[in-house]
Amino acid sequence: DQQVKQNSPSLSVQEGRISILNCDYTNSMFDYFLWYKKYPAEGPTFLISISSIKDKNEDGRFTVFLNKSAKHLSLHIVPSQPGDSAVYFCAASWSGGGSNYKLTFGKGTLLTVNP
Amino acid sequence: SQTIHQWPATLVQPVGSPLSLECTVEGTSNPNLYWYRQAAGRGLQLLFYSVGIGQISSEVPQNLSASRPQDRQFILSSKKLLLSDSGFYLCAWSVQAQPQHFGDGTRLSIL
Repeated sequence: DQQVKQNSPSLSVQEGRISILNCDYTNSMFDYFLWYKKYPAEGPTFLISISSIKDKNEDGRFTVFLNKSAKHLSLHIVPSQPGDSAVYFCAASWSGGGSNYKLTFGKGTLLTVNP
Repeated sequence: SQTIHQWPATLVQPVGSPLSLECTVEGTSNPNLYWYRQAAGRGLQLLFYSVGIGQISSEVPQNLSASRPQDRQFILSSKKLLLSDSGFYLCAWSVQAQPQHFGDGTRLSIL
């Protein structure tokens, strides 16, 4: 049972345009969400997170939106740069029951930003 | 600043051989430590986590074990590797539960 889903395995955008990466989850207990970026042969790098008490969090070119009723979150990158080309993972956790250490990951979306 | 080191970067082992992967963290005290595995075509799966020396929690039953002999050292082991143990193994640390910060991983191939 895949509790965090990234339904687009890949996405290609032009440099300077907006990249929108999507993520859906099924477990309504999740209350904290994170996005990671991964280059080949490297570990994932933490990008941005959002708590379920918010619906938006912004950090520079990166903004994460959370729609709790739809169990959906998205990562917006504006403007997109060639260096943003990487695999992006969505992850979720919940703070109850001693499970706050466990991150549940999606399978990732490969973003390619073309010059 | 905090850094995390994982080694080796790649490893090729025969079926039935033992395994020891090591992870160390610098620049922080009493971190939470984690081992993840990414199998081909799948997301990252949490294998073990530790909130202190000698404290190990296992998330999934498997052929692997973990130990934390020192505050900033986390070791992943197996007595006899299986073909299904192939994958990309990642160590991570955090100060609180989240966010977690990852090392560069070990690519393990079992022959």
